[in-house]
Amino acid sequence: QVQLQESGPGVVKPSQTLSLTCSVSGDSISSGGDYWSWIRQHPGKGLEWIGNIFYTWNTYYNPSLRSRMTMSVDTSKNQFSLRLTSVTAADTAVYYCARKRSGWPVFDSWGQGTLVTVSS
Amino acid sequence: EIVLTQSPGTLSLSPGERAALSCRVSQSVSSTYLAWYQQNPGQAPRLLIYDASSRAIGVPDRFSGSRSGTDFTLTISRLEPEDFAVYYCQQYSDSPPQFTFGAGTKVDIK
Repeated sequence: QVQLQESGPGVVKPSQTLSLTCSVSGDSISSGGDYWSWIRQHPGKGLEWIGNIFYTWNTYYNPSLRSRMTMSVDTSKNQFSLRLTSVTAADTAVYYCARKRSGWPVFDSWGQGTLVTVSS
Repeated sequence: EIVLTQSPGTLSLSPGERAALSCRVSQSVSSTYLAWYQQNPGQAPRLLIYDASSRAIGVPDRFSGSRSGTDFTLTISRLEPEDFAVYYCQQYSDSPPQFTFGAGTKVDIK
């Protein structure tokens, strides 16, 4: 059974860069059957898709965040990551990593989520 | 851009009652790429329904999904205590590739 675990700082200063990593166990990132995703949830609000990445570094980004974000994979560590630059208070959210099966446009497994607060 | 409108915002029901949650898609879509998720407080969302009407592994059969044109419905036939949660619908569009969630419907205890 696949398990995903987010890690990263809980507080980021405004204008700085948010960096998160998702560690995957129970599935290989490079197996070729899955895309790896980031989704966030602002406090008390709904869900916002951030982006997907394949192990070949093929990516799909939310157009509203594309100019500030980069996703990457590290197959040797079975991890994938998110960088979001020039953060503001509007980026305060719980960030989830998730798995999307190739050819199946749903998120079938999720990490527990990590709260990132943008504050000076 | 596809917009998903979920209604009602909150549904107050008693255990054992039937719940019907609506998700309206803003434009006609040829696919049934619509999914439903359940989220309990402090937890990650859990996939319930995919392709509009297929239950994910381990989901009880009291959960069902249906579609009529651009209107999608999640039905819970008899509410159990663990079903009181927030439910989100999610759509996929491929031009450009993008995933969109609805704002959610909270099912709470009456």
